[in-house]
Amino acid sequence: QSALTQPASVSGSPGQSIAISCTGTSSDVGGYNFVSWYQHHPGKAPRLMLYDVNNRPSGVSDRFSGSRSGNTASLTISGLQSEDEADYYCASYTSSSTQVFGGGTKLTVL
Amino acid sequence: QVQLVESGGGVVQPGRSLRLSCAASGFTFRNHAIHWVRQAPGKGLEWVAVIWYDGKNKYYADSVKGRFTISRDNSKNTIDLQMDSLRAEDTAVYYCTRGRTRHSSDSDYWGQGTLVTVSS
Repeated sequence: QSALTQPASVSGSPGQSIAISCTGTSSDVGGYNFVSWYQHHPGKAPRLMLYDVNNRPSGVSDRFSGSRSGNTASLTISGLQSEDEADYYCASYTSSSTQVFGGGTKLTVL
Repeated sequence: QVQLVESGGGVVQPGRSLRLSCAASGFTFRNHAIHWVRQAPGKGLEWVAVIWYDGKNKYYADSVKGRFTISRDNSKNTIDLQMDSLRAEDTAVYYCTRGRTRHSSDSDYWGQGTLVTVSS
């Protein structure tokens, strides 16, 4: 159950688009359509932003989108806003019926 | 509204046990899987365990397998996490989360967390 690999940090200016990658293996990210993404503002509970690779829960802005190619999933945020500044985590179902998180990516809005 | 309220955290010595509880309300509890996820100080999120809607399927992270036990009472809308043989590396904020479906791996609601500190 090795953690999924995410970049430690990404940054962008307001209005720009950024992408955060999440790399796993064929036993997790590449093997199932069960990749999710969470936004976490320190001191608050994490929030589900995407599930099943590219589905948005009710209330999540359509500026957030997801994709997957092989063993790598990606979260794209378009029209970056200051309130998007947070930590982002990917997660995936695994072949052991467990779940694994990525190490997290700190998004800075310049 | 959906609410998940954790309790039971505190300071415990290495090797001892602690039992966390989570009280759920605002939704049909028996229709959802429940997860525990933790975050050690200064670290990222780590998935700990899941119990499916009917309590018949339970899965654990390798780091806690054999030491932690998850259980649920669908008549009381509660989930417990029994933590035995605690180690310093189990120190973390523990979140109770609602699976989006009966056995989904993703979580659409999270509690505010309870802090567990394992220290002598």
